Amino acid sequence: QKEVEQDPGPLSVPEGAIVSLNCTYSNSAFQYFMWYRQYSRKGPELLMYTYSSGNKEDGRFTAQVDKSSKYISLFIRDSQPSDSATYLCAMILMDSSYKLIFGSGTRLLVRP
Amino acid sequence: DADVTQTPRNRITKTGKRIMLECSQTKGHDRMYWYRQDPGLGLRLIYYSFDVKDINKGEISDGYSVSRQAQAKFSLSLESAIPNQTALYFCATSDGQGYGYTFGSGTRLTVV
Repeated sequence: QKEVEQDPGPLSVPEGAIVSLNCTYSNSAFQYFMWYRQYSRKGPELLMYTYSSGNKEDGRFTAQVDKSSKYISLFIRDSQPSDSATYLCAMILMDSSYKLIFGSGTRLLVRP
Repeated sequence: DADVTQTPRNRITKTGKRIMLECSQTKGHDRMYWYRQDPGLGLRLIYYSFDVKDINKGEISDGYSVSRQAQAKFSLSLESAIPNQTALYFCATSDGQGYGYTFGSGTRLTVV
């Protein structure tokens, strides 16, 4: 079983839809939780990060963390074609390594 | 100039050849990482380094070696390339905070 599970998609939605992306994890030692966006042939870029359970909002994006269920989500409101990309969840393993562990990524396509 | 620069951007090499991928950074971060990305598998950690004298194996280090020539330079070598090392390789730096990772644009390596 992988430490971080993420549905690979692809997920295809019409412009303006609300998108929900999710990851589950198995290790309680994960603390910082992040969402990266990756466009084709580019490196991942940090979209949002959270530390505690609850919601964090930034414009059209909301990151949600439920540590008791080991479940994190990213919601995108009023999705745009420019949001079409691969979204990777990632989390920091809080041991001596401080490694960043990624989910497999979900490919999102927003249709005009 | 980019904060994290990877060279080359693309490389095709033959099975059995030795190849080096280079990474340099201007972030001033001590921590540097090499990741490999394959379709459907997300990014997986190959090696990481916390300073010039500190090198650590990640989850998929077999077949790879690294060299930290300076705080700003971290190279990844494939001593004898094989086709299943065909992938997208990313270098990243970290400031040691939960969200302070910066990724390069990647090197697309094809082993034929």
